[in-house]
This record gives sequence, structure tokens and C-alpha cells, in this order.
Amino acid sequence: EDQVTQSPEALRLQEGESSSLNCSYTVSGLRGLFWYRQDPGKGPEFLFTLYSAGEEKEKERLKATLTKKESFLHITAPKPEDSATYLCAVAEGGGNKLTFGTGTQLKVEL
Amino acid sequence: GAVVSQHPSWVICKSGTSVKIECRSLDFQATTMFWYRQFPKQSLMLMATSNEGSKATYEQGVEKDKFLINHASLTLSTLTVTSAHPEDSSFYICSARDFRGGGGSNQPQHFGDGTRLSIL
Repeated sequence: EDQVTQSPEALRLQEGESSSLNCSYTVSGLRGLFWYRQDPGKGPEFLFTLYSAGEEKEKERLKATLTKKESFLHITAPKPEDSATYLCAVAEGGGNKLTFGTGTQLKVEL
Repeated sequence: GAVVSQHPSWVICKSGTSVKIECRSLDFQATTMFWYRQFPKQSLMLMATSNEGSKATYEQGVEKDKFLINHASLTLSTLTVTSAHPEDSSFYICSARDFRGGGGSNQPQHFGDGTRLSIL
């Protein structure tokens, strides 16, 4: 059975304090690893897709990387508006089913 | 692009009521849509895959007679929670994939803003 574990559960950073979020996964036949951002009371907003080990994607202050067992979401010089829950999900087999982790709740303070 | 709209955003109703939630792809067609449920502090759990013009595929443990899914057009899927009870209270979210850019089944799912269902 596919498993996705995210750590830490919660993270509090000062503005400008860079850090990384971790997503460990076990899946047979990875079809893609997805990062989403979810604000309270909203649906997840797509950030990145990673397909193969060694791949990296960047968007503004965020950078996602992938190995055979885990993915990292690096946040460089975060701002308060980066505060949200960051979700990791993996797709396997036919690619339709996403298995989500429980997320990392990030709070960036001034 | 790839906007998914969900309606209503919040529903409060009495136990025993049936509630219908709509999920629309606004700027693309979706032959497949997905319905998730999310409890507080928990991850999104896939409930079912909605297929246009055919029966939905339900995940193990999800009662298909309780959660009725209809995907009558390429832009609309509905989830009806029948005879809802307090334990059905949750955050229901739908998603769809936009294949206009190619990429096949590797395209990401785009999510609606969810429906908060509270059963009294």
C-alpha cells in the first residue's frame, strides 16, 4: 500500500529564515509526486510535479527536489504570505489515484 | 487556466437531509473528476472517481448508495450525500485534470475550493 509521510507536522519560521519540508514515500511504480499548497478553508493549489529522481522545479521562493525515496520542498527567504499547509501526494499505476500526506503547516512570522 | 469551481462552499442541514454538491470545470472539459473528503488535521482521502457517461468508481469502504455521483456532462459532476448524518460532516473537495497541454495521465489534478458540510 502506498504511503506518504510528511515532516515536520508544523513549522514556524521568521520572515527570511529558509527551511525545508520533507515528504517520504513508498510506492510501487511512481507516476509522479505532486506538491500542493492549501490555505484554510480552501482546496489545494497545485505547485509542482516531479517525475524522476534528480528532478528539480522552482517557483519564486519555492524549490522542489526528488530522490527515489523522498522529496523536499525548500523555502528560501519566506514571507508571511507563504504561510499555509503544504501537501505532498504521489500517483501510482494508472496515475488517477493520488495518495496524500497529512501536510506540513507552515507559519511565517514577521 | 484549469479552474475548478465547487458549489456550495458551506452547507448546514438537519440529520436525514440529502445534500447535493456540484463540481464544474470552468475552462476545460473533464471526462474524469475526483471526489475527496478531508477531516480536520487529516489528509485528503479519495472517495470516488467520477466518469462522464458511466458509473463512478468508488474506493474501498465508501458506500456508493450513500454517496451518489453523477457525471452527466464534460464539465459537471455532482456528489449527493443521501440521508446525511452528523458523522458525514466533513470537507468535501473535487478535482479534475486538464489535458489540453498534453502529458496524459501525468497531468496534475486541479482542485475546487471545497464544500464544508455540517450535519446537525
